[in-house]
Amino acid sequence: GENVEQHPSTLSVQEGDSAVIKCTYSDSASNYFPWYKQELGKRPQLIIDIRSNVGEKKDQRIAVTLNKTAKHFSLHITETQPEDSAVYFCAASTPTPRGTSYDKVIFGPGTSLSVIP
Amino acid sequence: DAGVIQSPRHEVTEMGQEVTLRCKPISGHDYLFWYRQTMMRGLELLIYFNNNVPIDDSGMPEDRFSAKMPNASFSTLKIQPSEPRDSAVYFCASSLGRQPQHFGDGTRLSIL
Repeated sequence: GENVEQHPSTLSVQEGDSAVIKCTYSDSASNYFPWYKQELGKRPQLIIDIRSNVGEKKDQRIAVTLNKTAKHFSLHITETQPEDSAVYFCAASTPTPRGTSYDKVIFGPGTSLSVIP
Repeated sequence: DAGVIQSPRHEVTEMGQEVTLRCKPISGHDYLFWYRQTMMRGLELLIYFNNNVPIDDSGMPEDRFSAKMPNASFSTLKIQPSEPRDSAVYFCASSLGRQPQHFGDGTRLSIL
């Protein structure tokens, strides 16, 4: 089955610097890669996602890149702010057999990002 | 849109007691998921439903765990009997067809 690894497990950056979180996946059939942000005591919230037919997607200060050949994808946050401090989860979604419409999602272990003012 | 609603937000109970967690998915969503989150194991998918029918319960840890979805707007996750190692945050999520999933605020469960 699919396995998603995520690095680093913790990351500290100075406010204004960039942060990069990297994930690898094992199943070459995976075709959808969402990123979730979870603030302390809150629920995971989708912040950006990318599909396998796209190499890069950007939304203001957040961007995600995908390398299908190498089976890895990354989250880039530029001009970090204290409110970016949270745990970030990557995930990979693998199509299930024909006849079902749900793609099984496997989450990475998470990266705890701290932005130091 | 009210989002996914879970209750209770916090539950503290003694070992051996029955625990029932509740979830109301977003109206119109046809998939509902139950997750468990711990520091050690991260986010684990326990079970998911499609159109109120359980599709995959391979993540349910033991027979002590059971889940139901009697209608499109309500689901329960029950633990009986509860054990201290069941302590975790339990999230419910829903989606319309394929991704993305929308999570509820979770239930923080403590078994003493």
